[in-house]
Amino acid sequence: DAGVIQSPRHEVTEMGQEVTLRCKPISGHDYLFWYRQTMMRGLELLIYFNNNVPIDDSGMPEDRFSAKMPNASFSTLKIQPSEPRDSAVYFCASSFLQGGGYTFGSGTRLTVV
Amino acid sequence: GENVEQHPSTLSVQEGDSAVIKCTYSDSASNYFPWYKQELGKRPQLIIDIRSNVGEKKDQRIAVTLNKTAKHFSLHITETQPEDSAVYFCAASRGDDKIIFGKGTRLHILP
Repeated sequence: DAGVIQSPRHEVTEMGQEVTLRCKPISGHDYLFWYRQTMMRGLELLIYFNNNVPIDDSGMPEDRFSAKMPNASFSTLKIQPSEPRDSAVYFCASSFLQGGGYTFGSGTRLTVV
Repeated sequence: GENVEQHPSTLSVQEGDSAVIKCTYSDSASNYFPWYKQELGKRPQLIIDIRSNVGEKKDQRIAVTLNKTAKHFSLHITETQPEDSAVYFCAASRGDDKIIFGKGTRLHILP
C-alpha cells in the first residue's frame, strides 16, 4: 500500500485566493482526519469523517474552511478566501480501528502571502 | 472535551542516557494512548501505544507506562541514540475515533 497520499506537497498562494488540499486514505480505512500543524498551536484536529460522513467539524476555524469526502478514496480541504494566518502544514490521516492509531500523510505545507 | 498536557516542551540528554516524557489527560473515559515521533520535515509516525487495561508496554528501547488513577502516562527511551532526536507527541482517545494530541516535546540527543 502507498500509504496516505496528499497533494500538493507545497502550496504558495496569494491572500484571497482559493486553496484546495487533497487526500487519498489507505484503502480499507474508514476514518479520515484533517489536522493543521503550527509551531504555536501544535497539531489541531480540524474535522474527521467516518464512512465518508463528517462526524465532528468543531475544529474548523471558520466558514472559510470546508471539507468534503465524496467517496471512500478521496477527500478535500478547501480554504476560500485564504489568509496569511492560514499558513501551516496540513496533515491528512486515516485509520481503520475505532480509537486506533492513525497513519499520516506527508502533509501539505501551505504558505499564504 | 479531552485536554492533553505534555512536558517538558524541550529535552536534551546525552547519548546513551535515558529520556522521559510525561503527559496528563483530563477525560477519565479515555482508554487509548498513542505516542508519535515526528522527525524534522516529516510526518508524525506511531511508535508505540497503550490501552487502559494495561499498565506498561515495552518495545525494545521504548516503554510506556499508564497510571489511570492519576491520569498520567509517560514515554521512556533508554540508551538514547542520535536518531532518537525528534519531536514526540503523546495523545489520548476515549475510543470515539478522535485522538487529541499534546503540544509535543522536542528531544535533542547530545553527542
